[in-house]
Amino acid sequence: GQQLNQSPQSMFIQEGEDVSMNCTSSSIFNTWLWYKQDPGEGPVLLIALYKAGELTSNGRLTAQFGITRKDSFLNISASIPSDVGIYFCASRGGNTDKLIFGTGTRLQVFP
Amino acid sequence: KAGVTQTPRYLIKTRGQQVTLSCSPISGHRSVSWYQQTPGQGLQFLFEYFSETQRNKGNFPGRFSGRQFSNSRSEMNVSTLELGDSALYLCASSPTGMGGYTFGSGTRLTVV
Repeated sequence: GQQLNQSPQSMFIQEGEDVSMNCTSSSIFNTWLWYKQDPGEGPVLLIALYKAGELTSNGRLTAQFGITRKDSFLNISASIPSDVGIYFCASRGGNTDKLIFGTGTRLQVFP
Repeated sequence: KAGVTQTPRYLIKTRGQQVTLSCSPISGHRSVSWYQQTPGQGLQFLFEYFSETQRNKGNFPGRFSGRQFSNSRSEMNVSTLELGDSALYLCASSPTGMGGYTFGSGTRLTVV
């Protein structure tokens, strides 16, 4: 089946540092979404990408839809303690319109 | 604007029992999807409903079922519960099923 490979699995960084995580697949997708999940809550949509090559920002967050349509990355600049959480990529396309999720990147930010 | 509401938040059941979880989507949203989240398997797609019809289904056994009502509210049912069904069950809604979904806070189900 279709899989989204997300890396890294976890990150431990100092407050103020920039962060980068990515998601890759062997299949072509036509939508890439990035979510953040806090403990005990559901995922919250951060950025949605609908076009190959699209680069979109949301405050300190920037995400890009890869031109091959098989990957996406998320950057967080100048991290702060409230950035702590699990970040998921999600995608739709190929031979299905189901929304599937990556395995998540757990981010820890130290003061 | 109210978000996606899931009830109950927490549930403890014993093996062999059945359970029904409820989801009220954002007003005007016609698509409702359900996901199972576990530490080992991550977020796994269960099914999606749109205008009372199941539009997509994940790879779960027939013990997992769902339905959607005319007001877009949805329920999922798990029969003959197993220990491995312990998980956070998340519901998400979307106006049409395309684009991004808005998630509820989930129902934490523990099977003992």
